[in-house]
Amino acid sequence: NAGVTQTPKFQVLKTGQSMTLQCAQDMNHEYMSWYRQDPGMGLRLIHYSVGAGITDQGEVPNGYNVSRSTTEDFPLRLLSAAPSQTSVYFCATNIVSASTDTQYFGPGTRLTVL
Amino acid sequence: AQSVAQPEDQVNVAEGNPLTVKCTYSVSGNPYLFWYVQYPNRGLQFLLKYITGDNLVKGSYGFEAEFNKSQTSFHLKKPSALVSDSALYFCAVRDIVDWGAGSYQLTFGKGTKLSVIP
Repeated sequence: NAGVTQTPKFQVLKTGQSMTLQCAQDMNHEYMSWYRQDPGMGLRLIHYSVGAGITDQGEVPNGYNVSRSTTEDFPLRLLSAAPSQTSVYFCATNIVSASTDTQYFGPGTRLTVL
Repeated sequence: AQSVAQPEDQVNVAEGNPLTVKCTYSVSGNPYLFWYVQYPNRGLQFLLKYITGDNLVKGSYGFEAEFNKSQTSFHLKKPSALVSDSALYFCAVRDIVDWGAGSYQLTFGKGTKLSVIP
């Protein structure tokens, strides 16, 4: 049981390049989300999904796209990277339930945009 | 709208002493409250949560938190700090007034760095 996996662990991009951050889970959780973590800012929600085929925007969605074709995978796409997108990105999952609300986080992807 | 405040960027405590990491929240309805811990170069790990019931919640690694509705606080505590407790701690909240509307978003505080000094 791998839990939540993210690839790559590290990435360096040049301004204007595009890339996809991968997130996969084997816990059959309906809810998946992407956060970015910046010093002094805590975690900010980028996009989330409550199930396959359903996505919605979080607090800071600009410059990012997501799709959810399967329960297991929730990739985050940077369309045209900018230095402001230098950050650590975390994927998280949880079961959608009124009583079970714990989020499980992946190990993170550290992205630098030059 | 929901929000969380962690008023201290850093907390220093001597090993063996009790520790407190503060958190206050704001929601429209009733809150779901969480504490997560992040060790260097790792993802966040769940420590404990308050949903309903007893105001004192016990969690992993000997941590506990007290829900205080009148003060809208959810401070994290441990009776005796260990050097291995040194990490970044995040408080998070979700307002349950919108349950069922499809929104399951957690709002995180900015984090408090805990340093336990040997």
